[in-house]
Amino acid sequence: KQEVTQIPAALSVPEGENLVLNCSFTDSAIYNLQWFRQDPGKGLTSLLLIQSSQREQTSGRLNASLDKSSGRSTLYIAASQPGDSATYLCAVSQGGSEKLVFGKGTKLTVNP
Amino acid sequence: GAVVSQHPSRVICKSGTSVKIECRSLDFQATTMFWYRQFPKQSLMLMATSNEGSKATYEQGVEKDKFLINHASLTLSTLTVTSAHPEDSSFYICSALAGGNNYGYTFGSGTRLTVV
Repeated sequence: KQEVTQIPAALSVPEGENLVLNCSFTDSAIYNLQWFRQDPGKGLTSLLLIQSSQREQTSGRLNASLDKSSGRSTLYIAASQPGDSATYLCAVSQGGSEKLVFGKGTKLTVNP
Repeated sequence: GAVVSQHPSRVICKSGTSVKIECRSLDFQATTMFWYRQFPKQSLMLMATSNEGSKATYEQGVEKDKFLINHASLTLSTLTVTSAHPEDSSFYICSALAGGNNYGYTFGSGTRLTVV
């Protein structure tokens, strides 16, 4: 059974810092990995999707990497801003299934 | 970009009543929709996978007679919580999967259900 773990559970940084969020998964036979952002009491916003054949994806200040063999992904946020404060969720889908398995998320607080 | 509309955003109901939550893909067709439940400070737990025109596939431990899912068209899926009880109070989120060049998962804004 696939399990997704995110470390740390919470992170507080001053504005302007670069930071890294970590995600690990137990079964490397994934179809893709996706990073989401969730604001309190809201749904999820997709940030980056990495196919299993890819190593990284970039969007603006965000960069996500994938090392499928070691079961790890990182989300790098450059020059963090208070508006980046949210919970960041990592999810993987298995080959042959379109279901997503989520981690518990990392709650990020960027202090002005 | 793809948009999924979920309604209502909040609902309070009495124990024993039923509540229907709608999930619509506004600008794309979704052959597959997913329903999740999220408890405070917890991750999303998949409840069921809904395919247009066929019966939903429920995850282990999810009562299909309690959580009725209907996916009548390529743009609409509904979740009905029947005979709701306080323990059903939670945050419910739907997701629609788009295929082709726009492949990806789009989530609704969620429904906060409180059963009193």
